Amino acid sequence: DSGVTQTPKHLITATGQRVTLRCSPRSGDLSVYWYQQSLDQGLQFLIQYYNGEERAKGNILERFSAQQFPDLHSELNLSSLELGDSALYFCASSVVGEAKNIQYFGAGTRLSVL
Amino acid sequence: GQQLNQSPQSMFIQEGEDVSMNCTSSSIFNTWLWYKQDPGEGPVLLIALYKAGELTSNGRLTAQFGITRKDSFLNISASIPSDVGIYFCAGPNFGNEKLTFGTGTRLTIIP
Repeated sequence: DSGVTQTPKHLITATGQRVTLRCSPRSGDLSVYWYQQSLDQGLQFLIQYYNGEERAKGNILERFSAQQFPDLHSELNLSSLELGDSALYFCASSVVGEAKNIQYFGAGTRLSVL
Repeated sequence: GQQLNQSPQSMFIQEGEDVSMNCTSSSIFNTWLWYKQDPGEGPVLLIALYKAGELTSNGRLTAQFGITRKDSFLNISASIPSDVGIYFCAGPNFGNEKLTFGTGTRLTIIP
């Protein structure tokens, strides 16, 4: 168990809909990262938050947004969903500020857009 | 941007065999991480490397940080069924903390 909790584990929805994925980081970790993994692909970085503020952005679509709350949990919002958004979405957390940047991953949310 | 290429893309081996895989980059990394991903699960950290030339073991796994800082290697000795999965190398992009992941090596054990 990595200590990173993601909910829900599975999500099935229709095109055009909006969903919210939730992530609780490991206790003490201030930084949260979101990654997308399409079928048989590597992990693609979407966005990073540190202590409530956006810190880095990857190839995240404008239809996607995220935020980190005062209790450090994070939510990834996906709107106007398309078939191609079907993927595994992972959250990771780390203690930023250390030279050793170890990211610990949650079990992921599998999104299926029908 | 930085890219990490892993080889081989897939491996089919028999139980008990040793495994070698590598990861190469077009640019220098200061940290190399090796993760394993089981089907439907998140990546789990296996080994972290922080210094050029460093050789680190974790049980039957051994990883090395290449001298050029542009590559890393992972070896698994005496493979067992639970070694099946996808192995990813990863490294933080210079100047920030987000990870770039390699293309992955899928390990399958043939009965």
